[in-house]
Amino acid sequence: AQKITQTQPGMFVQEKEAVTLDCTYDTSDQSYGLFWYKQPSSGEMIFLIYQGSYDEQNATEGRYSLNFQKARKSANLVISASQLGDSAMYFCAMRPLEAGSYQLTFGKGTKLSVIP
Amino acid sequence: DTGVSQNPRHKITKRGQNVTFRCDPISEHNRLYWYRQTLGQGPEFLTYFQNEAQLEKSRLLSDRFSAERPKGSFSTLEIQRTEQGDSAMYLCASSYSLYEQFFGPGTRLTVL
Repeated sequence: AQKITQTQPGMFVQEKEAVTLDCTYDTSDQSYGLFWYKQPSSGEMIFLIYQGSYDEQNATEGRYSLNFQKARKSANLVISASQLGDSAMYFCAMRPLEAGSYQLTFGKGTKLSVIP
Repeated sequence: DTGVSQNPRHKITKRGQNVTFRCDPISEHNRLYWYRQTLGQGPEFLTYFQNEAQLEKSRLLSDRFSAERPKGSFSTLEIQRTEQGDSAMYLCASSYSLYEQFFGPGTRLTVL
């Protein structure tokens, strides 16, 4: 079984500042993928970034980077230069990469509010 | 290039009625997923299709739930004899690779 824990129900950040959203995970799988999704108030889940458990380098996608610490089982999302449009719910998710299971397991999410 | 579409966007029904939701995936995506999201929670996996074959089902998918994907194109999720606990957002996602899943806007179900 897999579990995702997001301990920050809500976060505030000043516009143009960087912010880190925490995510820890638990799994017995050797090979797995970690994902971050953004969910604006409109409801649609928007894929942000992916990190494979065997990837040695941290993933980056524009202003998003994933701080992956395998020994600590953490996969924190860093958003640089926050924008007002970044205000949304953010979900960390994972799934095993071995054959047989394709389901994503999500955390409860963190609500990010960007202050002008 | 259109994304995943879902219809209807909102559905209000009375307890005991049957409801059906439709999902149209991105055209070249052969994998399709259904999730359910209740207030204050992350999405929970319901079921997965690869082409027309339903390969994975969650224990959340009780006997009242059935999903189909005829011809490997669009998919339907039917809930029979709805209960108030079925009130949630039902999300559909599709993918081509084994990695990122692209989500639709969801169908919000309210059971009165």
